Amino acid sequence: SQKIEQNSEALNIQEGKTATLTCNYTNYSPAYLQWYRQDPGRGPVFLLLIRENEKEKRKERLKVTFDTTLKQSLFHITASQPADSATYLCALEDTGGFKTIFGAGTRLFVKA
Amino acid sequence: DTAVSQTPKYLVTQMGNDKSIKCEQNLGHDTMYWYKQDSKKFLKIMFSYNNKELIINETVPNRFSPKSPDKAHLNLHINSLELGDSAVYFCASTLGETQYFGPGTRLLVL
Repeated sequence: SQKIEQNSEALNIQEGKTATLTCNYTNYSPAYLQWYRQDPGRGPVFLLLIRENEKEKRKERLKVTFDTTLKQSLFHITASQPADSATYLCALEDTGGFKTIFGAGTRLFVKA
Repeated sequence: DTAVSQTPKYLVTQMGNDKSIKCEQNLGHDTMYWYKQDSKKFLKIMFSYNNKELIINETVPNRFSPKSPDKAHLNLHINSLELGDSAVYFCASTLGETQYFGPGTRLLVL
């Protein structure tokens, strides 16, 4: 069956450290994968998109990797700050388009 | 200059009632969606419309009826509300890959 899985447990890290979040998928062949941020009481906000032919993408303190062999994406936040505390969702396009499948998200807490 | 807006933000109602949630986007996008996010925070697609045409209906009970009067609007009407309908409902729109979400409507059925 098709699955998209993220660490269900919250990730607690100290300010200044690098946070690494994992997204694994099964029985999908996505052309691209996206990461979104969701704050409590708000809708998800797009952060980064990485295509199947890209190994790595960066945006400021964010870095995403995409390994289509392992069927995994890693999302890194370097020099993390308390303001980075949120839930991070990975998402991929289902076959045929028009449908984006979201993981359940990983809650990140960055302590000052 | 809100991109995707939803009304109402909160909706508290009794079981058996009928209610509507409205969504509007001013981004000029062709495709709009309704998602349901339950208490476990899982975001599940319900419907997708492209240029006012229904593209996806994810086996949602027919008590839920979306309506798209034009490309910029996608409303959701729910008949005979049940306790299990309590959730946050998000509208989203897209031109291609990235989705833009509304702020959500928190529905509580008592």
